[in-house]
Amino acid sequence: AQSVSQHNHHVILSEAASLELGCNYSYGGTVNLFWYVQYPGQHLQLLLKYFSGDPLVKGIKGFEAEFIKSKFSFNLRKPSVQWSDTAEYFCAVSRGGGNKLTFGTGTQLKVEL
Amino acid sequence: DTGVSQDPRHKITKRGQNVTFRCDPISEHNRLYWYRQTLGQGPEFLTYFQNEAQLEKSRLLSDRFSAERPKGSFSTLEIQRTEQGDSAMYLCASSSSGEGNIIYFGEGSWLTVV
Repeated sequence: AQSVSQHNHHVILSEAASLELGCNYSYGGTVNLFWYVQYPGQHLQLLLKYFSGDPLVKGIKGFEAEFIKSKFSFNLRKPSVQWSDTAEYFCAVSRGGGNKLTFGTGTQLKVEL
Repeated sequence: DTGVSQDPRHKITKRGQNVTFRCDPISEHNRLYWYRQTLGQGPEFLTYFQNEAQLEKSRLLSDRFSAERPKGSFSTLEIQRTEQGDSAMYLCASSSSGEGNIIYFGEGSWLTVV
């Protein structure tokens, strides 16, 4: 069975700091990769996704993620975070051809002014 | 709002009671999913439907849990004889079928079993 690991459970940053959240998965076949975000009191929203092609994908609000197949990783980055980025971030994987998502445990990001 | 809607948003019930949650997916989506999320964890897959057919069920879905999607539109998730361990957020999501289609989530239904 596939699994997803997010290494950072809680991250605290100051505004304008750079962000990188780690995500590794454990499935050897073709995968689709996602980052979802959950702002306080809101539902899960898609931040970005990778299905194929350029391994560097750009999402909303200045976020990007890089798929490194050899490392089974899909790390999320943002060069300069804002207070409004305070949220919980979830990495998720689905097998190629399927829709069912397997989520990591999430990273709670707090951005301080 | 044309997103995924769930009802009720919060439910407090006594142990042993039955509860039912309803999900209305995005209208053009033929796939509907149920997930469960507990504090400090990511959502865990429970089951999914394509139209009215329930195509997959997780081992997490014990015999006390039943999900239906009778007409291929809205879905219900019933938990019978609730236990304290059932306390969680129950998330519904929907998508079109086929690879590459995004799964959209509802705001969830919080269940507290006392």
